[in-house]
Amino acid sequence: AQTVTQSQPEMSVQEAETVTLSCTYDTSESDYYLFWYKQPPSRQMILVIRQEAYKQQNATENRFSVNFQKAAKSFSLKISDSQLGDAAMYFCAYRSARNRDDKIIFGKGTRLHILP
Amino acid sequence: DTGVSQDPRHKITKRGQNVTFRCDPISEHNRLYWYRQTLGQGPEFLTYFQNEAQLEKSRLLSDRFSAERPKGSFSTLEIQRTEQGDSAMYLCASSLVPGGSTDTQYFGPGTRLTVL
Repeated sequence: AQTVTQSQPEMSVQEAETVTLSCTYDTSESDYYLFWYKQPPSRQMILVIRQEAYKQQNATENRFSVNFQKAAKSFSLKISDSQLGDAAMYFCAYRSARNRDDKIIFGKGTRLHILP
Repeated sequence: DTGVSQDPRHKITKRGQNVTFRCDPISEHNRLYWYRQTLGQGPEFLTYFQNEAQLEKSRLLSDRFSAERPKGSFSTLEIQRTEQGDSAMYLCASSLVPGGSTDTQYFGPGTRLTVL
């Protein structure tokens, strides 16, 4: 069974600084997707960034980028120029690429605090 | 707002009562998912539909839980004889499959259930 581990329950970063959230996963599959989702307090979960396992190039979305290390089964999220609106729970997540195995497996999350 | 809506947003009930939640997905999305999120944890998969067909159910979905998507549009999740352990946030998500990058799952705001 696939698992996703986030070893940092909470992190803090100064506004405008850079922070990296860690994630490791375990799978025997070769084709899959990895995600970072953001869940602000009392608001709905939104997708931050997505990575296809077959792509070697790391995904980037504006101030958000990932470091995908397939052999090490590591998938970290870097947030540059942190803003107050980045404060939220961040979930690392895995989904198989098999069409009918469509469930997302989430880690326990990392709560990110932005210090003004 | 992702375009996925859920109703009600909050539900307080007494142990032993039945409750029903509704999810309206993004209109063109053919897949609809239910997840449960307890305090301090990541969401856990419950079940998903492709159009009106229920394709997978988690072992978390006990006999007291039933989900339907009768016309392939909105879905309902019913919990019979609620227990205190059912207290959680129930999240709905939808996606379009196959859809390339659009097969991302978009989440609703959730229904928070409290069982007294």
